[in-house]
Amino acid sequence: EAGVVQSPRYKIIEKKQPVAFWCNPISGHNTLYWYLQNLGQGPELLIRYENEEAVDDSQLPKDRFSAERLKGVDSTLKIQPAELGDSAVYLCASSVTSGETQYFGPGTRLLVL
Amino acid sequence: GENVEQHPSTLSVQEGDSAVIKCTYSDSASNYFPWYKQELGKRPQLIIDIRSNVGEKKDQRIAVTLNKTAKHFSLHITETQPEDSAVYFCAAWDAGNMLTFGGGTRLMVKP
Repeated sequence: EAGVVQSPRYKIIEKKQPVAFWCNPISGHNTLYWYLQNLGQGPELLIRYENEEAVDDSQLPKDRFSAERLKGVDSTLKIQPAELGDSAVYLCASSVTSGETQYFGPGTRLLVL
Repeated sequence: GENVEQHPSTLSVQEGDSAVIKCTYSDSASNYFPWYKQELGKRPQLIIDIRSNVGEKKDQRIAVTLNKTAKHFSLHITETQPEDSAVYFCAAWDAGNMLTFGGGTRLMVKP
């Protein structure tokens, strides 16, 4: 069974540029999560989807961050415009449903110059 | 919301010794506690988890204990090996349907 897939794995951009990350969850997993992980720290939830519905986005900085999961499968996280402080690893995870085991993707390492 | 504290932040042991990492949580309604291992540059991988209706769970050299009254849970690794070296994160799933992670423990197993 394929795991959670993310792309790109690495991204370097200049500040004020837009950037997008893509995630394909494990087949059959209804719940999808986007996390931010700063160096040396634990993941922090940005947004959680139940199928195509965003049910918890309280931690998402909505002035510059947006996300979508249009068909309840793949998801895209966007930052526009990026700031220096956005440099981090963006992790996607999925689970069969909320409260069940979460499986993480390899993450996208973003560097904003 | 939930607050998860993890100790120690770094732990160095000799190969073959045991390692113990402890976490406390604040939300008494939390009912699911996974542990993840993250090697440098890799994804967090689940190594063991426990639900609130169980006090202890074991999988080969790894065990987790949960004390609901005191609101703390611990990871125990016996007969440590160099490949156990990584960062370990505890987490708690709270009543708000959110998984909150601890700050991580960097475990170094010296050969």
